[in-house]
Amino acid sequence: DTGVSQDPRHKITKRGQNVTFRCDPISEHNRLYWYRQTLGQGPEFLTYFQNEAQLEKSRLLSDRFSAERPKGSFSTLEIQRTEQGDSAMYLCASSLSKGDTQYFGPGTRLTVL
Amino acid sequence: AQRVTQPEKLLSVFKGAPVELKCNYSYSGSPELFWYVQYSRQRLQLLLRHISRESIKGFTADLNKGETSFHLKKPFAQEEDSAMYYCALSPAYSGAGSYQLTFGKGTKLSVIP
Repeated sequence: DTGVSQDPRHKITKRGQNVTFRCDPISEHNRLYWYRQTLGQGPEFLTYFQNEAQLEKSRLLSDRFSAERPKGSFSTLEIQRTEQGDSAMYLCASSLSKGDTQYFGPGTRLTVL
Repeated sequence: AQRVTQPEKLLSVFKGAPVELKCNYSYSGSPELFWYVQYSRQRLQLLLRHISRESIKGFTADLNKGETSFHLKKPFAQEEDSAMYYCALSPAYSGAGSYQLTFGKGTKLSVIP
């Protein structure tokens, strides 16, 4: 499967714990995006990378959230001191260029107890 | 700021009936509009985009800038069309704020046999 992959697919954690998610984009795609989707809502943009540079961050990305893409390939999204409001599906997408289709991964479902 | 509105959370139609999923947008500049679909237990995937003017799986959508709408239509619904449909917008320019997709809340289409 050469699509976008995400790991883990599900994560259950206790409030206050830190969690990290990984996204592996389609190999030739230099653009990578993170979105968050809560129940009954469409995906909401969190952040965007072009190669290893993080070029855009949403106001939704509080200081407890950090994303990296150190070698311009895979990306990680870390949430520190998780809160119940962080419970959501975290989606990763990648594209070849700005106007190109964004291809989505299966998502990581986070549940904060 | 851009906004996408899908007024119907759920749309039920009988097999063979016409389908129209509504999407209205708010954006002051020139937009690119997309329809994404998510079938049960599958990832979000692009259905069509207005600039390609294609018909995918019998679906079409026309961008109406006067009415700021991008409704999705199909003349005869099939059972396999049952899914969650999201309308999304991206600014057509390149630069800050242009890389993200802004999604509507989605419409669940249920095709009754």
